[in-house]
Amino acid sequence: QKEVEQNSGPLSVPEGAIASLNCTYSDRGSQSFFWYRQYSGKSPELIMFIYSNGDKEDGRFTAQLNKASQYVSLLIRDSQPSDSATYLCAGQTGFQKLVFGTGTRLLVSP
Amino acid sequence: GAGVSQTPSNKVTEKGKYVELRCDPISGHTALYWYRQSLGQGPEFLIYFQGTGAADDSGLPNDRFFAVRPEGSVSTLKIQRTERGDSAVYLCASSRTGVGNEQFFGPGTRLTVL
Repeated sequence: QKEVEQNSGPLSVPEGAIASLNCTYSDRGSQSFFWYRQYSGKSPELIMFIYSNGDKEDGRFTAQLNKASQYVSLLIRDSQPSDSATYLCAGQTGFQKLVFGTGTRLLVSP
Repeated sequence: GAGVSQTPSNKVTEKGKYVELRCDPISGHTALYWYRQSLGQGPEFLIYFQGTGAADDSGLPNDRFFAVRPEGSVSTLKIQRTERGDSAVYLCASSRTGVGNEQFFGPGTRLTVL
C-alpha cells in the first residue's frame, strides 16, 4: 500500500463545474498536507496546504482534511480549461520530506 | 523575488558517466530538498538539507548518489556511474523553516542516460 493514494483519473468535468479531487494517506504521523498543480512538462506548483481538520478556502480552491478518516480533498469551483493539469497530493511529517501520491489528471472541457 | 533555479535544464549523458545537477534555492530559505520524478509518478524524496547538513538522506537510492550544500545555499546533486534507470526529472525545492513549511519547486533538470 502506498503511503499516499490518489486516483490517477482522468477526472473530466465541464467548464464551470466543481472538480473534486481526493487523496487518502496511511501514515497517521503526517501532520500537514499539500496540493500541487503540475502542467505537462512543468514542475509542481503549490496551490494550498492544510494541517487542521476541516476546510480551508483560498479563492476558487477549498482544501478539506479529515484526520480520523485519513482523507484529504481539494475542491475547485467554477473550473476553467486552464485548470486542466495533474494535481498532486502530498503528506508531510514535521518539517521534513513530502510524500506524494501519483497524482490525478483533471480535464476541464469548454 | 526570484524562485528556485536549477541548472542545467536538460542533461544527456552516457551510461557510466558522472553528472552534477545544481540547485539555487530562494534567498533566505534554510531548508532544501531534492526529489526525483519519473513519468506518470509523483516526485520521490531523495535528500533534505537544513543549512549545510543533510538532515535526512534516506531517499538516496544507493551510494552512487551524493549531495552537498557547503555554504547553506546552493546545492549540488552528484551521480556517479550513471545508469539508464537514473533517467528522470530531478527536482529541487526550498522552504523556510516554520509552520506549514511550504516547499517551492524549481523547474527541474531532465536527465537522460543513454
